[in-house]
Parts: sequence; structure tokens; C-alpha cells
Amino acid sequence: SAVISQKPSRDICQRGTSLTIQCQVDSQVTMMFWYRQQPGQSLTLIATANQGSEATYESGFVIDKFPISRPNLTFSTLTVSNMSPEDSSIYLCSVAMLAGNEQYFGPGTRLTVT
Amino acid sequence: GENVEQHPSTLSVQEGDSAVIKCTYSDSASNYFPWYKQELGKGPQLIIDIRSNVGEKKDQRIAVTLNKTAKHFSLHITETQPEDSAVYFCAARISNFGNEKLTFGTGTRLTIIP
Repeated sequence: SAVISQKPSRDICQRGTSLTIQCQVDSQVTMMFWYRQQPGQSLTLIATANQGSEATYESGFVIDKFPISRPNLTFSTLTVSNMSPEDSSIYLCSVAMLAGNEQYFGPGTRLTVT
Repeated sequence: GENVEQHPSTLSVQEGDSAVIKCTYSDSASNYFPWYKQELGKGPQLIIDIRSNVGEKKDQRIAVTLNKTAKHFSLHITETQPEDSAVYFCAARISNFGNEKLTFGTGTRLTIIP
């Protein structure tokens, strides 16, 4: 399995500001995803990060709020824009070597918005 | 879309006893079913998975069973140990090319009582 790192591991931000979360993988992967896990809850897919093209967003998530970049096969960023306390969550990067393969998760970024 | 239900939400077992967590899914097109273990402050860890062409899979003390007709699958942990204490999530996926979305259950908090 790939080794996945995320930066920052946690942050406390003021409402109205934006935070960019980085996901780095130690090997090239075909698929990269961003999930959100609200406190004490399950995981919800935000979007699939596509290399060289716009991300594919799930219902309820929009590009203006969660812009995503994926410049290559080992790196992606998720920005949480114009934050409100409701955005306080764990944001998780997930990867799969190939379509149809197992998905592995990074350690997460714990975001608190005050 | 796919809906995954998971039971129980909490489970306490004596060390050495077995633990069983059950999930049901709604979309008969789902063909991949992973289980994740999430320890406090960490990202989900893939512990076992099963594909729809298999009825049972075992890895040491962990096993997963799948009943496609009833649309349910279960995680079995035998000879439980304190380090098995964590939150466990089941998930389901319809693996069509370009669609890799995992739909997660609501999680089971497993506590092993020494």
C-alpha cells in the first residue's frame, strides 16, 4: 500500500478564512479522493481529484467552496473556502493505485473553525 | 444511490471472545465491500475486503462474509484483544470504470474489556 501524508495535521482557523490541505503520496496513483468526517460521524466523499482536469464533486459539494487541484500522480490539494464553524471536520485524502483497487487513507487533517 | 446500514453502533466484548458487526446495502450492483478500522486520532485503516464473486474471506483472526441475495455482509473478529478496540466502518462500492465512490456505514465503536 502507498504511504500517504497530509499537511497540516490539524489547524484552528477563524471563520471567513480559507485553508489549503496538502496530500502527498510516496508512489504514483491513478485515483485520489477527498473525504470529510464530521465529529463522531462516518465518512462522506467530497470529490474525486482528477489529474489535469477539474475534480468530480459529489452532490452537496461545490467547487467554489472546496476547490481541488491535482497537478500530478502523487499530489493533491483541497481548499476549504470562506470557512464557517460547520466546516469543522476531519478531512481525509484517499488513494487507489488503479481504478477498482483498494482505497487507502491518509492520517487526516483536523480542522476547527472558530 | 447506495445506502449502507451498520449495526450495532457500539459493541463491548470480553477479551478473548468474538465480535460480529453487520452491514446491509441497498444497491445490488455493489460488488466491492471493504472494512476499515479507525483508531482515535488516525485515518481509517483497511483491514479486510471482499468482492462479490466470493462468499467468505479470512485473514488470521478477522473474517468477512457476504450474502449477495440478502445484500448483507459481516465482519467477524475472533479471540479479541485490547488492541482491537476502535471504530470499525463497513463500505460498499459499485466498481464501474470511472466510479470509485465508497459509501460508508455509520460505524461501530468496539470496546474490548480486559
